[in-house]
Amino acid sequence: QKEVEQNSGPLSVPEGAIASLNCTYSDRGSQSFFWYRQYSGKSPELIMFIYSNGDKEDGRFTAQLNKASQYVSLLIRDSQPSDSATYLCAVTGGATNKLIFGTGTLLAVQP
Amino acid sequence: DADVTQTPRNRITKTGKRIMLECSQTKGHDRMYWYRQDPGLGLQLIYYSFDVKDINKGEISDGYSVSRQAQAKFSLSLESAIPNQTALYFCATSDGTKAFFGQGTRLTVV
Repeated sequence: QKEVEQNSGPLSVPEGAIASLNCTYSDRGSQSFFWYRQYSGKSPELIMFIYSNGDKEDGRFTAQLNKASQYVSLLIRDSQPSDSATYLCAVTGGATNKLIFGTGTLLAVQP
Repeated sequence: DADVTQTPRNRITKTGKRIMLECSQTKGHDRMYWYRQDPGLGLQLIYYSFDVKDINKGEISDGYSVSRQAQAKFSLSLESAIPNQTALYFCATSDGTKAFFGQGTRLTVV
C-alpha cells in the first residue's frame, strides 16, 4: 500500500463547476497535509495546507481533513480552464517526518 | 533570483557515466529533499536531509547517492547512470511546514 494515494484521473469538469479531488494516507501519525498544483513540465506550487480536522478555505479553494478516516480533499469552486493541471496531495509527520507525495490527479476543466 | 536553484536544467548523458545534480537554496531551511518524477508516478522521494549531518534514504534510493555540503547545498549523484534513470528531478526545501521546489532538472540517459 502506498503511503499517499490519489485517483490519477483524468477528472473532467465543465467550466464553473466544483472540482473535488481526494487523497488518502496510511500513516496515522501524519500531522501536516498539503495540496500542490503542477502544470506540465513545471515545478509543483503549494496552493493549500491544513493541519487540523475540518475545512480550510482560501478563495476558490477549500481543503478538508478527516484524520479519523485518513482522508484529505480539495474542492475548487467555479473551476476555470486555467485550473487544468495535476494536483498533488502531500503528507508529512509520522515516524520519519518525511514529505511524501501521492501520484497526483490530472484535472481538466472544459470551457 | 529563485529561492531554490537546480543545475543543470537539462542534461543528456551516456549509460555508465557519473553525473551530479546540484541544488542550492536561499530560504535558510534545514530540510532538503530530492524527488524523481516519471509520467503518472507523482513525486518519488529519493533522499532527504534534515540538517548537514542527517541523511536519509527515501522510497527509491538505489543507484543514487547524496551529499549535504552545507545547509544551503544538497547534491544528488548517479554513480553509473542507466537509461531507466531518465526522468525529471526536483529538489525541494522545507522549514517543516511548506515545501518550495526548484525548477527541475530533466535528465536523459542514453
